[in-house]
Amino acid sequence: DAKTTQPNSMESNEEEPVHLPCNHSTISGTDYIHWYRQLPSQGPEYVIHGLTSNVNNRMASLAIAEDRKSSTLILHRATLRDAAVYYCILPQGGSEKLVFGKGTKLTVNP
Amino acid sequence: DVKVTQSSRYLVKRTGEKVFLECVQDMDHENMFWYRQDPGLGLRLIYFSYDVKMKEKGDIPEGYSVSREKKERFSLILESASTNQTSMYLCASSLLGYYSNQPQHFGDGTRLSIL
Repeated sequence: DAKTTQPNSMESNEEEPVHLPCNHSTISGTDYIHWYRQLPSQGPEYVIHGLTSNVNNRMASLAIAEDRKSSTLILHRATLRDAAVYYCILPQGGSEKLVFGKGTKLTVNP
Repeated sequence: DVKVTQSSRYLVKRTGEKVFLECVQDMDHENMFWYRQDPGLGLRLIYFSYDVKMKEKGDIPEGYSVSREKKERFSLILESASTNQTSMYLCASSLLGYYSNQPQHFGDGTRLSIL
């Protein structure tokens, strides 16, 4: 199964862009890259996902490297409400199972 | 927006009781999931269902069963609750996709304590 590597923690200032990296060097050709986040005392929240092309939605952008071995979640203007643990996940090929690792804890400073 | 509703945010039960956790989604999703989340262990899949009356075991099904009589509702049952089942339980749903191309939408969780 493809594994992901993320920094344990990152810090940002409010209203600045944030780039959250994820390495997934063993990704297979059919693995989608999913990003979720979890705020304290809440369930995980879907953020964005993609396969090969860069993706944008109202929450964030996902930049996928050409070789697909890494990706970056981009929050264009961080707010205090973006403080959460961010998880980069590759659902196990052909299955629907999500495996959440430790993720990156994002702190946003006012 | 997708809404996944779990019946209780907090629940306290006693060892040996039969416990029911209910989950309802309002988006006509085919797939529904039950996870538990424990500190240091992340989320672990207990069971999932891809259709009414269909179910598949996840990674840690022991001590649990599930029921899906209607498409929108997925119940997790602790047959005889034990203290090691104290945890945060999370329900999720998704459309039936291809190679996991559909996101999962989660409820807010039920924090279950077994005394």
